[in-house]
Amino acid sequence: SAVISQKPSRDICQRGTSLTIQCQVDSQVTMMFWYRQQPGQSLTLIATANQGSEATYESGFVIDKFPISRPNLTFSTLTVSNMSPEDSSIYLCSVERGGLSPEAFFGQGTRLTVV
Amino acid sequence: AQKVTQAQTEISVVEKEDVTLDCVYETRDTTYYLFWYKQPPSGELVFLIRRNSFDEQNEISGRYSWNFQKSTSSFNFTITASQVVDSAVYFCALSEGRYNFNKFYFGSGTKLNVKP
Repeated sequence: SAVISQKPSRDICQRGTSLTIQCQVDSQVTMMFWYRQQPGQSLTLIATANQGSEATYESGFVIDKFPISRPNLTFSTLTVSNMSPEDSSIYLCSVERGGLSPEAFFGQGTRLTVV
Repeated sequence: AQKVTQAQTEISVVEKEDVTLDCVYETRDTTYYLFWYKQPPSGELVFLIRRNSFDEQNEISGRYSWNFQKSTSSFNFTITASQVVDSAVYFCALSEGRYNFNKFYFGSGTKLNVKP
């Protein structure tokens, strides 16, 4: 399994500002994933982050709004830029174990409220 | 189209009742995996079970059991003798293989309320 630590665990931010969420994994992983969970909704994949290359964004998500860094194999950040109340969500970092027994492991999430 | 459908938005039961959470999936892959995750009020996602597409055997783990039927593309989850601690949002998920990772699709979740 993987232990994933996310910071901050929650924040209340003013609209128009930006927040950077950090994700630290206790082991080296090739790919890290960022999800958004809007209130009462399911998890939606924002982007996939590979170390040493640009993140790959899912439809509906753009780099200008959600820039991602992946400086090494254990760490990633997601920035939510120019926030609006619609960005109020839980943001989750995830890593996967592949092979014949795939599994997704999640951080505890960052609860973001934009006022 | 939704890859994973959980038609039950919210279910309320009284403690000790049995409850089944439904999950219907859609995929064209022949090899895929199905999952159930639990999200208690604290927010973290807890892995419950994984099934691969070639294993239709039902599984029982304590009070939990899962019924996988490829013929109906369903992967239902039953909690027997429910307890208050079972109250959470439960997500069904589908994983399809891609070039170098597995892409996960999550259902919309079923919120289970178990009342004492």
